[in-house]
Amino acid sequence: DADVTQTPRNRITKTGKRIMLECSQTKGHDRMYWYRQDPGLGLQLIYYSFDVKDINKGEISDGYSVSRQAQAKFSLSLESAIPNQTALYFCATSDFGDLRERAIWEQYFGPGTRLTVT
Amino acid sequence: RKEVEQDPGPFNVPEGATVAFNCTYSNSASQSFFWYRQDCRKEPKLLMSVYSSGNEDGRFTAQLNRASQYISLLIRDSKLSDSATYLCVVTGSNFGNEKLTFGTGTRLTIIP
Repeated sequence: DADVTQTPRNRITKTGKRIMLECSQTKGHDRMYWYRQDPGLGLQLIYYSFDVKDINKGEISDGYSVSRQAQAKFSLSLESAIPNQTALYFCATSDFGDLRERAIWEQYFGPGTRLTVT
Repeated sequence: RKEVEQDPGPFNVPEGATVAFNCTYSNSASQSFFWYRQDCRKEPKLLMSVYSSGNEDGRFTAQLNRASQYISLLIRDSKLSDSATYLCVVTGSNFGNEKLTFGTGTRLTIIP
């Protein structure tokens, strides 16, 4: 079974609709992240969370919100979807450990959610 | 200037050949460097870390040049399964700052 799962895997929605993307992990990691990927732009960080009580904005948080319901669950919401939010969305996790250990920099990604806003 | 820049390619390389690509980064204080691999429509996965002294993992060799602010990836004896997009990744300047900055990727296709 996958360690990081995302639902739905594909979604088509209309402009103005609210949509939630969900992420669950069984790796026991404290840190979770949401990215979007657009062709030619690379991965951009939307929000990240270092534990259940800690939520931080990333580079492109406008138009998005998140909820960390538990250590294992981190949801991303688009309050009112617009077409330029059409993208591939990835959830990722990483472990907390000795800050000088490189292992903490490895991020484990979910399979992605392909979102189309029409 | 982008924080992390890569040649998008595509690099079309015959099987068995050696291929290398570079990535430049703008923040001279960046601490850690990585190569991730991403297959078409799949999630990125860590390929290897890049250490100051250079490091090898099988057919893959990574180098870091802090003075010129670039990292490189060399693939020897390339296989069809090496076809993928290779993402250069750089962390922030502070330990504990886990913001990873991703390059846009270099697409590699190995030709039979």
